[in-house]
This record gives sequence, C-alpha cells and structure tokens, in this order.
Amino acid sequence: EPEVTQTPSHQVTQMGQEVILRCVPISNHLYFYWYRQILGQKVEFLVSFYNNEISEKSEIFDDQFSVERPDGSNFTLKIRSTKLEDSAMYFCASSEEGDIAKNIQYFGAGTRLSVL
Amino acid sequence: GQNIDQPTEMTATEGAIVQINCTYQTSGFNGLFWYQQHAGEAPTFLSYNVLDGLEEKGRFSSFLSRSKGYSYLLLKELQMKDSASYLCAAMDSNYQLIWGAGTKLIIKP
Repeated sequence: EPEVTQTPSHQVTQMGQEVILRCVPISNHLYFYWYRQILGQKVEFLVSFYNNEISEKSEIFDDQFSVERPDGSNFTLKIRSTKLEDSAMYFCASSEEGDIAKNIQYFGAGTRLSVL
Repeated sequence: GQNIDQPTEMTATEGAIVQINCTYQTSGFNGLFWYQQHAGEAPTFLSYNVLDGLEEKGRFSSFLSRSKGYSYLLLKELQMKDSASYLCAAMDSNYQLIWGAGTKLIIKP
C-alpha cells in the first residue's frame, strides 16, 4: 500500500540552527501538507502546497518556515534559526484532491524535532 | 473562533462498546473526519461524514448531526489494539482541517 515517508525519524539540533525535514508524498497525490504536534497537544496545521506554491498557511507558519518541492518526489520543510519551542513532531501529509470536501489526507510517521 | 471539543480520556473493557463524542464550531463546514493515532505514530484515517446520519464501517461507526455541531465515533467489540488516541477533525470552508486534542482510549482486559 502506498505511504507517505518522512526522514529523519528523529532530528536533534542546537537552538539557532537550521533544519530541513523531508517527505516523500504518495506518488499520484497533488496536495501536500505539513502539521506540527507538540507533545501532548493537538495537531496544528502549518501549510498546504499545491502546484508548486503555498495554497494556505497558518499563523504559526511565519518567516522562519519555508517549504519546497525540489524535485518530482520530495517535499521539504525548512525551519531557520530553530527555537526551543519548535520542538515537536512534524507530520507530512498528502491527498489526491484538495479543494473538495472528502479530501482524505494520508500522514507520514513524522519527524520528532528536538531543539536543545 | 474555531473549536473542537472531545473528552481527554476514556476507559473501556475489551469486548465492550465505547462512544467518543465530539462537538465542533468552524467557519463553514465541509465534513467531519475521525483519525486514530497510536502513541508516537502518524494519524490514520478512520471515517468521514458530511451528511447527517450514521456511517458504518466494520466495528467502527461514525455519526454526524450538522444542526447540533456534533459527531461521535462508536467502537464495537473492543480489542486491546484499539487502545489509541482518537482525533476528531472538522474541515472548514477553506478545506482546512481543524483538529481536536484527541481522546485517549484505554482498553482494559
């Protein structure tokens, strides 16, 4: 069964460093998403991406964050100058459709980011 | 504002039935999703409702009342592997998912 893959599974970084989280969405999917889940808290939407551009972003997704689809398969989230409060699980998701109601998003296993 | 409410934790017995409730308030509404999340793993899709009524899928059923802003997930014949968090998420008018904090379901033998 096709799945969303994310690497690395765990990333440890020093405060102020830049990190890149990688995702390979399901191959025939066109819409991609990043979510964040701080330990013990709810899943929070960061950004959605379609046709090589951001379609929606939340208040969390400020200038510290950027997304890119550098080639036909990868979808990355870059966090510049990481802060302690960026420590969380970051989930990538993809879906076949976007702006329709029954838009089932499939999630990767996540990257746990620890900022020290 | 947009808000999803669901109980923090529930406990049930193996073989029994449990109902997890969810109430939502969103800007527009394009459906209600339930996801299952085992600890440290990704959320996995369980069900989707956009019309009022009950959707049944094996041991799991999901109900929606749009007028009440209310949904529930019903799990029958509980198994130990059903121990997980169950996330309620409503899709708003921008097709964004607004997530609840999740209900941790503990199954006891």
